[in-house]
Amino acid sequence: AQTVTQSQPEMSVQEAETVTLSCTYDTSENNYYLFWYKQPPSRQMILVIRQEAYKQQNATENRFSVNFQKAAKSFSLKISDSQLGDTAMYFCAHYSNYQLIWGAGTKLIIKP
Amino acid sequence: KAGVTQTPRYLIKTRGQQVTLSCSPISGHRSVSWYQQTPGQGLQFLFEYFSETQRNKGNFPGRFSGRQFSNSRSEMNVSTLELGDSALYLCASSWSPGELTEAFFGQGTRLTVV
Repeated sequence: AQTVTQSQPEMSVQEAETVTLSCTYDTSENNYYLFWYKQPPSRQMILVIRQEAYKQQNATENRFSVNFQKAAKSFSLKISDSQLGDTAMYFCAHYSNYQLIWGAGTKLIIKP
Repeated sequence: KAGVTQTPRYLIKTRGQQVTLSCSPISGHRSVSWYQQTPGQGLQFLFEYFSETQRNKGNFPGRFSGRQFSNSRSEMNVSTLELGDSALYLCASSWSPGELTEAFFGQGTRLTVV
């Protein structure tokens, strides 16, 4: 069965610091998509960044970047210069067979 | 461009009743998927529709059903509600008929079963 594991239930950092959220997954597919979504208290699920498995280059979106290690099946998210608005639940997800398979989430708290 | 719209936003139902939730995707999107989010089970896939066809279904009992209309709007129905059905139900839409490049989510419907 395909699974996604996020081993950090909660993390807390000071504003402007850098934080890395971990994610590992299991799949037998060779080509696939991975995503990081953010869910603030408003509950709206917002796409942070996505990675196509066949691309070796790590995806970046402004302050957000990933470290994608295909062989290790690891997909971590790095947030640089963290801001108060980054406080949210972060979910790692793997797309397969028309569905997103989700990790349990990491609650990220940015302290002023 | 309007986002994904889910109605209603909040709902309180009694055990044994049935409920219908609605999702209007972003204009032009033909794929709609549904997820249930609970503190205990996290995010779980319910079903996905593309052009009125269900392409995949999650591991939920037959009390959970859905459909998609020709205008891509989708509804999900839960019959004989149980306390454990209390959850946030999220709908997502995308334009891609194949690989998902990005899914846009609605704000969800918070269902409480009492």
